[in-house]
Amino acid sequence: LAKTTQPISMDSYEGQEVNITCSHNNIATNDYITWYQQFPSQGPRFIIQGYKTKVTNEVASLFIPADRKSSTLSLPRVSLSDTAVYYCLVGGTRRNQGGKLIFGQGTELSVKP
Amino acid sequence: EAQVTQNPRYLITVTGKKLTVTCSQNMNHEYMSWYRQDPGLGLRQIYYSMNVEVTDKGDVPEGYKVSRKEKRNFPLILESPSPNQTSLYFCASSPTSTGELFFGEGSRLTVL
Repeated sequence: LAKTTQPISMDSYEGQEVNITCSHNNIATNDYITWYQQFPSQGPRFIIQGYKTKVTNEVASLFIPADRKSSTLSLPRVSLSDTAVYYCLVGGTRRNQGGKLIFGQGTELSVKP
Repeated sequence: EAQVTQNPRYLITVTGKKLTVTCSQNMNHEYMSWYRQDPGLGLRQIYYSMNVEVTDKGDVPEGYKVSRKEKRNFPLILESPSPNQTSLYFCASSPTSTGELFFGEGSRLTVL
């Protein structure tokens, strides 16, 4: 099962682009990469998921290089409300992937005015 | 409204007194799982269930039990709680067609 490593914390300013990288050297062929956002006293919330190359939705982009040993969550033009903990998750809940999931320790993003 | 509901949200108990944290989802998801969250350790999976009557251990299953008798419910049982089980617990569910996990609001448990 792939272990993930993320920076413990990051600081940014409003309006900047933030990139958070997650390392997952032992990722398996069937594993997907998913990112979650968590505010204090709330459950994590899904942001984006990808398998390879680049995925973009209305809130973020996910960049995955060809070897898939890392991934980068990109948040464009962050605001104060993006201050949260961001978790990288490698694995899957699909029937043929098994159900064991390992979250990284999370990256605490602090956005300053 | 699609949601995962956990109860109780807060509980203070004493060592050795059996307790159950309930989890229910209304999205007809097959996959359900439990996590504990402790400072500096992130989210760690306790148990998961791929479907009714199918459960398996996660990363930190010691001291916990689960059951999955119905699709919507996945209770977490602490038969003899100890202080090191003081934590914030989250239940989550996911459909089999996607990997997106839907989390409950969390249950903060204190064992004295």
